[in-house]
Amino acid sequence: GPKVLQIPSHQIIDMGQMVTLNCDPVSNHLYFYWYKQILGQQMEFLVNFYNGKVMEKSKLFKDQFSVERPDGSYFTLKIQPTALEDSAVYFCASSLFGGAETLYFGSGTRLTVL
Amino acid sequence: GDSVTQKQGQVTLSEDDFLFINCTYSTTTYPTLLWYVQYLGQGPQLLLKVTTANNKGISRGFEATYDKGTTSFHLQKASVQESDSAVYFCALVDPQGGRALIFGTGTTVSVSP
Repeated sequence: GPKVLQIPSHQIIDMGQMVTLNCDPVSNHLYFYWYKQILGQQMEFLVNFYNGKVMEKSKLFKDQFSVERPDGSYFTLKIQPTALEDSAVYFCASSLFGGAETLYFGSGTRLTVL
Repeated sequence: GDSVTQKQGQVTLSEDDFLFINCTYSTTTYPTLLWYVQYLGQGPQLLLKVTTANNKGISRGFEATYDKGTTSFHLQKASVQESDSAVYFCALVDPQGGRALIFGTGTTVSVSP
């Protein structure tokens, strides 16, 4: 079936540095999402993105976070600067029509902030 | 606020056992309820969904009934296989946001042959 790719599966970065998480969504999908999962806790919605704009964001989507999809390529989540509490697994998802129940998820990128 | 609760963190079974995973939700509206399954090394994938109270979702031998009275959406399977070993998440579509999912903490199911 359709696949959302997230590479790499694990990133390690020093606190205060910038990190960009990359997501290659399903090719014809139009809506893009990021979710965050801290170890042992539930996945939580961060942001969704459509037509070049953030549509909705949660309180977890701090000012240090930004998303973009330049020229229809990767959908990225940038954190600048990173903090220790940003350590988590970040899941990208995409959907064609935008309904939350129609999401295809990637396998996640584990971010470790030292 | 809206929430989903899965009390079981881990369930260990043998093949052909009955699987039951508890899920309750809290919301002021009638949300769409879903179960996701996440196999090792993969992202979560939709297992089943139900949009109408008192209806049942069925997929791949799994079933869940949307019980408005008890605000529950428990997942069941009559006879599990080793290939059902995975993490199972209950979720609801955020009634406020419309495009976000609110997840439970997940239940890890381990099935031994």
